[in-house]
Amino acid sequence: EIVLTQSPATLSLSPGERATLSCRASQSVSSYLAWYQQKPGQAPRLLIYDASNRVTGIPARFSGSGSGTDFTLTISSLEPEDFAVYYCQQRTNWPPYTFGQGTKLEIK
Amino acid sequence: EVQLVQSGAEVKKPGESLRISCKGSGYNFTSYWISWVRQTPGKGLEWMGKIDPSDSYSNYSPSLQGHVTISVDKSTSTAYLQWSSLKASDSATYYCTRSLFEYSSSPDLYWGQGTLVTVSS
Repeated sequence: EIVLTQSPATLSLSPGERATLSCRASQSVSSYLAWYQQKPGQAPRLLIYDASNRVTGIPARFSGSGSGTDFTLTISSLEPEDFAVYYCQQRTNWPPYTFGQGTKLEIK
Repeated sequence: EVQLVQSGAEVKKPGESLRISCKGSGYNFTSYWISWVRQTPGKGLEWMGKIDPSDSYSNYSPSLQGHVTISVDKSTSTAYLQWSSLKASDSATYYCTRSLFEYSSSPDLYWGQGTLVTVSS
């Protein structure tokens, strides 16, 4: 089973700042990595798939990069609605499609 | 509009059986995989398994194989997650999801609202 490790566990930033979230896989997942955002009381929302493809309707301030084992989600300039928990998930051809443990992005 | 509407919260005792549902609408139900994901405060998000509604081919997480069953009823565009014998550790919020694209490893774009399952004696 592929293990995904996200860092940091908590990130404290102010609106307008740049956020950089990391996801590291225990073995290569090629580019089959997705990022989700979850707010309290809501289901997760897909932001990025295949490492760098933004889902239709997701603001351009969200971007993803990486391949193999190291991936990054960048939010270029934080808006108040961006403070949430972010999860990465690997989607290689064979399940289980494991998730990382999450990074909580909180207002400083 | 694509929607996944799940059944309501359940409270069960250990050893009891349970089936929760997820009704899809607004798209061709047999064209996209359905997955189930659970969330607990302690363990975060856990992918459980997926099913191809066109032929009911399914895959499960090895840690859950044999403990849960995923099925579909094409006639009603409904997917199911069921247990024959619940454990306290099955207490969680369960989400059904629909894939973004039609291929099996496509990530999950659409999510149901979640079903809270509580297993307690």
